Amino acid sequence: NAGVTQTPKFQVLKTGQSMTLQCAQDMNHEYMSWYRQDPGMGLRLIHYSVGAGITDQGEVPNGYNVSRSTTEDFPLRLLSAAPSQTSVYFCASGVGGATTEAFFGQGTRLTVV
Amino acid sequence: AQSVSQHNHHVILSEAASLELGCNYSYGGTVNLFWYVQYPGQHLQLLLKYFSGDPLVKGIKGFEAEFIKSKFSFNLRKPSVQWSDTAEYFCAVSNNDMRFGAGTRLTVKP
Repeated sequence: NAGVTQTPKFQVLKTGQSMTLQCAQDMNHEYMSWYRQDPGMGLRLIHYSVGAGITDQGEVPNGYNVSRSTTEDFPLRLLSAAPSQTSVYFCASGVGGATTEAFFGQGTRLTVV
Repeated sequence: AQSVSQHNHHVILSEAASLELGCNYSYGGTVNLFWYVQYPGQHLQLLLKYFSGDPLVKGIKGFEAEFIKSKFSFNLRKPSVQWSDTAEYFCAVSNNDMRFGAGTRLTVKP
């Protein structure tokens, strides 16, 4: 059982480049979300989705786009990478919405130079 | 939206000492409460959760937490820590989405 799979695990981008972080889950969870983790700031919610075709902004959505065309996938797009987006990104999913346990992927460590 | 405060940034204990990590949240409605643990280099894993009922909840590895509604608190406790408990601990609150505190780094000295 794969759970939540994130790719890539590591990525280095130049300022201004765009890229997509992939997240897929095989648990048929309705709820999926993206967080960034920075030292001393915990996990901050970027975007979340309560089902296919539905997305909403979290605490720090600027500079990121998401879409949810299927239940399984929830990609996060950086439109024009900035050094401030250097972080570790975690994707999470949950059954029954955000109110139940979140299952996390292994994370993507992104460096923007 | 809800917010979460964790009082301790870094806690250092010796093995067998007792642990209590503070967590307070701000939200006027009904929330679900969680504690997650992140071991070095790993992703977050659930320690315990509270939805309703008995405000004292028990989780894995001997951890427990008490929900005190009047204080908007959900503190994590363990009677006797081990070196293997060295990790970062996050309190989380969910309603429409899930928000996390800044985390508490726990170092247990052997």
